[in-house]
Amino acid sequence: EAGVAQSPRYKIIEKRQSVAFWCNPISGHATLYWYQQILGQGPKLLIQFQNNGVVDDSQLPKDRFSAERLKGVDSTLKIQPAKLEDSAVYLCASSLGSGGAVETQYFGPGTRLLVL
Amino acid sequence: GQNIDQPTEMTATEGAIVQINCTYQTSGFNGLFWYQQHAGEAPTFLSYNVLDGLEEKGRFSSFLSRSKGYSYLLLKELQMKDSASYLCAVLDSNYQLIWGAGTKLIIKP
Repeated sequence: EAGVAQSPRYKIIEKRQSVAFWCNPISGHATLYWYQQILGQGPKLLIQFQNNGVVDDSQLPKDRFSAERLKGVDSTLKIQPAKLEDSAVYLCASSLGSGGAVETQYFGPGTRLLVL
Repeated sequence: GQNIDQPTEMTATEGAIVQINCTYQTSGFNGLFWYQQHAGEAPTFLSYNVLDGLEEKGRFSSFLSRSKGYSYLLLKELQMKDSASYLCAVLDSNYQLIWGAGTKLIIKP
């Protein structure tokens, strides 16, 4: 079974530039999560989708971050414009979303972003 | 506020046993997860506890005490490949995962 796919794996940009990350979850997984993980910290949830609807985006800095999952499968996360403090690993995870409240999340390899 | 505490770093010797502790204060509790994360890689699922007691899975075991807000991950017969960060995460009353900062485990030969 293929895991969660993410691209690119690495990205270096200058502050005020824009960047986009892509995620394809495990086939059949209805729930998709985007996390930001700063070095030495645990993951911080940015946004959670159930199919193509947003479940939780309370910690997404909406003035510069946006995310979509138009067809309920793959998803993109965009930062525009980027700031130095956005340097982090952006992790995508998915879970079955079968309706049960407790689900194991499976993570992709992440995109390591460096903002100069 | 919600808080999860883990030691920042631990060192152990190959072949030995190590216990990584996690204490939590969250709004509600619907279970606790342990994930392993090798440097530069994604977290991978290790265990899930929702009832008190010890769950054993090969060389790894996880313990939970809900009354004490406490869990530990026990790693036996340590191998060099166990060098990684170990993340504790609690599912709160809204079924959102609250993550600890992780414990970096260094294994020495």
